[in-house]
Amino acid sequence: KAGVTQTPRYLIKTRGQQVTLSCSPISGHRSVSWYQQTPGQGLQFLFEYFSETQRNKGNFPGRFSGRQFSNSRSEMNVSTLELGDSALYLCASSYTSGGSLEQYFGPGTRLTVT
Amino acid sequence: AQSVSQHNHHVILSEAASLELGCNYSYGGTVNLFWYVQYPGQHLQLLLKYFSGDPLVKGIKGFEAEFIKSKFSFNLRKPSVQWSDTAEYFCAVNIPGGGNKLTFGTGTQLKVEL
Repeated sequence: KAGVTQTPRYLIKTRGQQVTLSCSPISGHRSVSWYQQTPGQGLQFLFEYFSETQRNKGNFPGRFSGRQFSNSRSEMNVSTLELGDSALYLCASSYTSGGSLEQYFGPGTRLTVT
Repeated sequence: AQSVSQHNHHVILSEAASLELGCNYSYGGTVNLFWYVQYPGQHLQLLLKYFSGDPLVKGIKGFEAEFIKSKFSFNLRKPSVQWSDTAEYFCAVNIPGGGNKLTFGTGTQLKVEL
């Protein structure tokens, strides 16, 4: 099976712009989660989508949003970019079976805001 | 809200030394526990997980972890480290029934010297 793919891998944006990141989960996985990874804050949960519905949301401002399509692919959007949004954004694809959770991570999108 | 603490931020070991990385979580109910590893330039990979049953779980590459419920701990161990174990290690917790959100610790950077 192919792993989790994220596009683009690298992005450079200017403060005030908006950005859209894309994630394709492992085939058959219906849950997609997004995380932000920074040296100062570590890995922080942004949100989770399951069957096109947001199921969980972390403590991020409303500038961060996401959606999931019927094929389970997901996008996240950040509007009005700030310098502090520079980070590695990770997408994770999950499945649960009999109470067991397995979450697989993609390579991430490195966003630099200048 | 649950939180995860990793006490050692940086660990330096010589090859063949034994490793133990501490992880404590704060949540009084049932939890699912994970250790992930991030090798330089690579994406997060699952090392091992605990859901139920035997509190001593074995993962890939000779790693194991012990869940001690009374201490809210899930420490990672390896009897003899190799240079190739140089990486950042993350402990994470998931609350069953609360979706697939993972709460991560701040990570431990392990450097193994030859």
